[in-house]
Amino acid sequence: QVHLEGSGGGVVQPGGSPRLSCTASGFTFRNYGMHWVRQAPGKGLEWLAVVSDDGSNKHYADSVKGRFTISRDNSKSTLYLQMSSLTSEDTAVYYCAFSGYSSGFDQWGQGTLVTVSS
Amino acid sequence: SYELTQPPSVSVSPGQTARITCSGDALPKPYAYWYQQKSGQAPVLVIYKDTERPSRIPERFSGSSSGTTVTLTISGVQAEDEADYYCQSTDSSGTYWVFGGGTKLTVL
Repeated sequence: QVHLEGSGGGVVQPGGSPRLSCTASGFTFRNYGMHWVRQAPGKGLEWLAVVSDDGSNKHYADSVKGRFTISRDNSKSTLYLQMSSLTSEDTAVYYCAFSGYSSGFDQWGQGTLVTVSS
Repeated sequence: SYELTQPPSVSVSPGQTARITCSGDALPKPYAYWYQQKSGQAPVLVIYKDTERPSRIPERFSGSSSGTTVTLTISGVQAEDEADYYCQSTDSSGTYWVFGGGTKLTVL
């Protein structure tokens, strides 16, 4: 059974640089591209970034390009999102997700909340 | 940047048919996907590749495509279908993923 466990969230000061993790189990992690998606309180879903199965290709939404870095460690079945220069607008639930069979996001983590506040 | 446009809200009575549209210049290719999100929960895929339905999704959920608009149809709406619904696709290069703004479905 596929499971994506997010961690690393919490309260972060403006300008902070937290790293989110998403630990995968129940499937062969190294075979799948992985994504980060976020949702600000009361707002819609926003796609942030994708990394290819081997980590060699990465793409970012304009809103986070240059501030966020997506990466993965296939030996640990873990996806990362290194965030930097955070502002209150980055306050959101951050989800990891991937396509298992559909080419869409058919597998989601439970989400981890990042609150940017002094 | 590429955008997908959805109506902010749709309201229907139980048993009626709800239709939620999503428009985007790059549609119908690449494909569109639909997600249901209930309060406090992660999104759930309900339609993929415009018209395909995951096996655990009820048959009352269907998808269609016409020109640059895709539509999620929920036939015989039930109270449990009240949720936010998001369409999703990619830009024409398939490099950037994008979500529509979401539609709140209210079951009266």
